[in-house]
Amino acid sequence: EVQLVESGGGLVKPGGSLRLSCAASGFTVSHAWMSWVRQAPGKGLEWVGRITSSADGGTRDFAAPVKGRFTISGDDSKNTLYLQMNSLKTEDTAVYYCTTVGNPGYFHHWGQGTLVTVSS
Amino acid sequence: QTVVTQEPSFSVSPGETVTLTCGLSSGSVSTDYYPSWYQQTPGQAPRTLIYSTNTRSSGVPDRFSGSILGNKAALTITAAQADDESDYYCVLYMGSGSWVFGGGTKLTVL
Repeated sequence: EVQLVESGGGLVKPGGSLRLSCAASGFTVSHAWMSWVRQAPGKGLEWVGRITSSADGGTRDFAAPVKGRFTISGDDSKNTLYLQMNSLKTEDTAVYYCTTVGNPGYFHHWGQGTLVTVSS
Repeated sequence: QTVVTQEPSFSVSPGETVTLTCGLSSGSVSTDYYPSWYQQTPGQAPRTLIYSTNTRSSGVPDRFSGSILGNKAALTITAAQADDESDYYCVLYMGSGSWVFGGGTKLTVL
């Protein structure tokens, strides 16, 4: 059974950094396409970024609002996906969900989310 | 900038059929956008309902179906039940590794 468990959320000041983790079980992270999706309080879902599998080159793509500030990486030894968030802004405040990306191009399995609050 | 449009809210009576739509601010939605649909109740993670226009995700009842209607993607819920009351989101694959979500539809069953 596929499970995704996010962690690492919390309160951070504007301009600060935070790294979110997504621990996976039931599959190998590096063999999968993975994505991050966020949801600001009381708002809709927003795609953040995606990484392809190692076999497909580990290509990373990001939404315009986070490009150049966020990056995605993985740790095979821990079977964990990461979202490194730098230069955080108040508008980055959201619940961040880790997802697998199914073929073709949809968000298949979802974690329970972790809340990031950017505030002074 | 691409905007994906959804009805902000919809109301349906139990047992009735409702169709929610997913459009583009400019242009038509086709199967090439691989539209998918997600259901979310307050405080919970989204649940995948439909992908690739009309394929039901594992465990999703056949009361939920997806299609292209005119120039929009559509999610039809047949014989709506009280526990279908949720927020529903569509998302379109825009190519080059990017997706755009619609703003979501709040469905009330009463």
